[in-house]
Amino acid sequence: GESVGLHLPTLSVQEGDNSIINCAYSNSASDYFIWYKQESGKGPQFIIDIRSNMDKRQGQRVTVLLNKTVKHLSLQIAATQPGDSAVYFCAENWNDMRFGAGTRLTVKP
Amino acid sequence: GAVVSQHPSRVICKSGTSVKIECRSLDFQATTMFWYRQFPKKSLMLMATSNEGSKATYEQGVEKDKFLINHASLTLSTLTVTSAHPEDSSFYICSGAGPHFGTQYFGPGTRLLVL
Repeated sequence: GESVGLHLPTLSVQEGDNSIINCAYSNSASDYFIWYKQESGKGPQFIIDIRSNMDKRQGQRVTVLLNKTVKHLSLQIAATQPGDSAVYFCAENWNDMRFGAGTRLTVKP
Repeated sequence: GAVVSQHPSRVICKSGTSVKIECRSLDFQATTMFWYRQFPKKSLMLMATSNEGSKATYEQGVEKDKFLINHASLTLSTLTVTSAHPEDSSFYICSGAGPHFGTQYFGPGTRLLVL
């Protein structure tokens, strides 16, 4: 069936560097995508979303890029901080939302 | 805005008892609420989708008689784990469909331990 998945299960970056977390999706009909951050023992937090009619959207320190040609989504975090350490999930749609396994981001001081 | 609360945050119960978990949208009306289950170091697994005033739609493999979901108002949904067993121990998370299309706002989760 259709699924949303992540390329890398773990990512370790140095504090201050930029982070890039990738996500592949297989449902070409998906028209809405969301990135969530989940800290240990807590529920997921909404970070940023993007519709399929866009290829880039920026927030505060975060940017989401969407490449519909290869069905790829990425989350870029600028100047990564220790507080960014968490598991990041991408998800598509809302009435049939599916999450990938997540990428665990670890920020080294 | 768009805050969701869950109660309790942690619960320990004996095998065979029932446990009720509440999910509330505090500052918005959630016409749709979702219940997820999460095992350690695993992704969220959607258990069921509930619309206010109607029966919940369960995902394949989720026992509706074991996981009773009620969505009586636009701000409250409850999940009752009936006759809990140790294998029901997990992290249960709810979310509400927010004011913007597609966005779900998640509760902080409830950790259930069945002894």
